[in-house]
Parts: sequence; structure tokens; C-alpha cells
Amino acid sequence: AQTVTQSQPEMSVQEAETVTLSCTYDTSESDYYLFWYKQPPSRQMILVIRQEAYKQQNATENRFSVNFQKAAKSFSLKISDSQLGDAAMYFCAYSSNYGGATNKLIFGTGTLLAVQP
Amino acid sequence: EAGVTQSPTHLIKTRGQQATLRCSPISGHTSVYWYQQALGLGLQFLLWYDEGEERNRGNFPPRFSGRQFPNYSSELNVNALELEDSALYLCASSPADRVKNIQYFGAGTRLSVL
Repeated sequence: AQTVTQSQPEMSVQEAETVTLSCTYDTSESDYYLFWYKQPPSRQMILVIRQEAYKQQNATENRFSVNFQKAAKSFSLKISDSQLGDAAMYFCAYSSNYGGATNKLIFGTGTLLAVQP
Repeated sequence: EAGVTQSPTHLIKTRGQQATLRCSPISGHTSVYWYQQALGLGLQFLLWYDEGEERNRGNFPPRFSGRQFPNYSSELNVNALELEDSALYLCASSPADRVKNIQYFGAGTRLSVL
């Protein structure tokens, strides 16, 4: 069974600084997707960034980038130039990409990010 | 374009009652997923519906059930409510082409069982 681990329950960053959130996962599959979702106090989960396992290049979306280390099964999220609006719970998630298999998301326990002005 | 909408926002029930939660996917999306976000248990996959059929369910008892309608909206029913069913229930949808495996979430229904 696949598992996702986020070892940092809480993190804090100063506005305009850079912060890295850690995520490790365990799987025997070779084809999968990894995601970072953000859940602000409004509760709605928002997709931050997505990585396809077969792609070597790390995904980037504006101020958000990932460091994907497939062999180490590590998938960290870097937030550059942190803004007050980045304050939220961040979830790392895994999804299998096998045809016919469920596309369910397997989530980590989350990291609560605080942004200090 | 409207996102995933869930109703009601909050629901208060007592033990033993039944709860019905509703979800409308993004227009054009055919798959609907339900997740439970309970305090201390994190986010757990509940059910997946696609084209009106239940495709998979998580490790939940049979009193958690649901259905998907011809317009792809979905209902989650929880029978014989127990205190531990108190949680945020999130619905997500994805398009027919699930190659990208992206799920778009609603804001959830907060279920409180007293």
C-alpha cells in the first residue's frame, strides 16, 4: 500500500522569504503523480503543483517549485517570496496512474504554514 | 466557470440519524470523489463515482454509501450516524480524461453528530 508522510506539522516563514515543506512517500509503483494541495481557512483544497513521476524535470508554478527525488521517494515544495496569502495547511498527495486503477488521492497529514509579516 | 459546489455547508445531526450530502461537479466532469477529513485522522478516500457507477470505495463501513446521477452530480449518504462520523466531507471532480489525474475540490460539508 502507498503511504505519504509529512514530518513537519507546522512551519513558519517571514514574508518575502523562502520556505521548504518536506514530503516523503512509499510505493512499489513506477508510474504515479504527486501533488501539493493548499487548504486555507476557507476549507477549499486548491491544487498548488503537480509532478508526473516519469518526468525528470521538477515542476514549477510561479513562486512554487518542487524538488522531486524519485529514487529517494522525496517530494518537497519550495515557496519563494512568501506572501501572507500563502498561509494555509499544505497537503502532499499521491495518485496512481495505472489504467483501470482508482485515481484516489492518498494524502499526508499536512503542514500548517504560518507567514509572519 | 462554476467550481465544485457542495451542500449544505453545515449539517447537524444526532446519533442514529441519516445524513445526505450533495455535490455538483464542474461542468463537463464525469468523475466524483468523496473524502472524509476527520480531526486526527487526516484526509481519507471514501468513494469514487464515474459515469454513474461506483468505481472504488475506501475502508469505510457499508453505512457510507452514495450515488451519481445522470447529470454527474452525486449524493453521499451516511446511515446510523455515530459520533466519530463528525468530520469535513470533501467532494472533488475530474474530467473524463483522467490522464492528468487532477481533482478539483469543493469547500466541503461540515457534519456534526451530537
